[in-house]
Amino acid sequence: DTEVTQTPKHLVMGMTNKKSLKCEQHMGHRAMYWYKQKAKKPPELMFVYSYEKLSINESVPSRFSPECPNSSLLNLHLHALQPEDSALYLCASSQQESSAVLTFGAGSRLTVL
Amino acid sequence: AQKITQTQPGMFVQEKEAVTLDCTYDTSDPSYGLFWYKQPSSGEMIFLIYQGSYDQQNATEGRYSLNFQKARKSANLVISASQLGDSAMYFCAMREPYSGAGSYQLTFGKGTKLSVIP
Repeated sequence: DTEVTQTPKHLVMGMTNKKSLKCEQHMGHRAMYWYKQKAKKPPELMFVYSYEKLSINESVPSRFSPECPNSSLLNLHLHALQPEDSALYLCASSQQESSAVLTFGAGSRLTVL
Repeated sequence: AQKITQTQPGMFVQEKEAVTLDCTYDTSDPSYGLFWYKQPSSGEMIFLIYQGSYDQQNATEGRYSLNFQKARKSANLVISASQLGDSAMYFCAMREPYSGAGSYQLTFGKGTKLSVIP
């Protein structure tokens, strides 16, 4: 299994809603990542988990709350989002070696109304 | 700080022809890695090829090859025999120095949109 699975593929939510994005991998990778990608822009790193501990938070607003319940799962909890948060959210995972490749999921396309 | 530059916002190539996508980088760290990813309109980032800073030979993966010129700090992607399915956004990325904490960061260029013409 060489896939990173993200659900849902599409999500529309209001600014007062609470929703979650989910990411799952079964490749035994111990590093997992959330990236945000606006249209026609490169992905921007949000969070990194290493061995299920948050290792990098790129000054992301608190309305985004990551969670890593175990080594295979990564969640991104969303609350009180703004329309400008509408974007493609990409999950990725990797081995720990310095030459390791990030394997990305297909993304969750979020629209905030 | 690391920096990745892709100067070609868009490129066109005839089907079955070869195309080169440019990427230059800037880093003061002697140890780094360079990646190319393909992103079709569906959104998934697909890994294409990797080049380590200490690798002696240019990386190749099927129709993809990386023209690595260390002194010029360039890592151009060459796609041979272009296919219609190659139409996509292509991102060059550089790995930040491995922190040893079990993860690393990728810095992406702005991307090049490749269109393959039948």
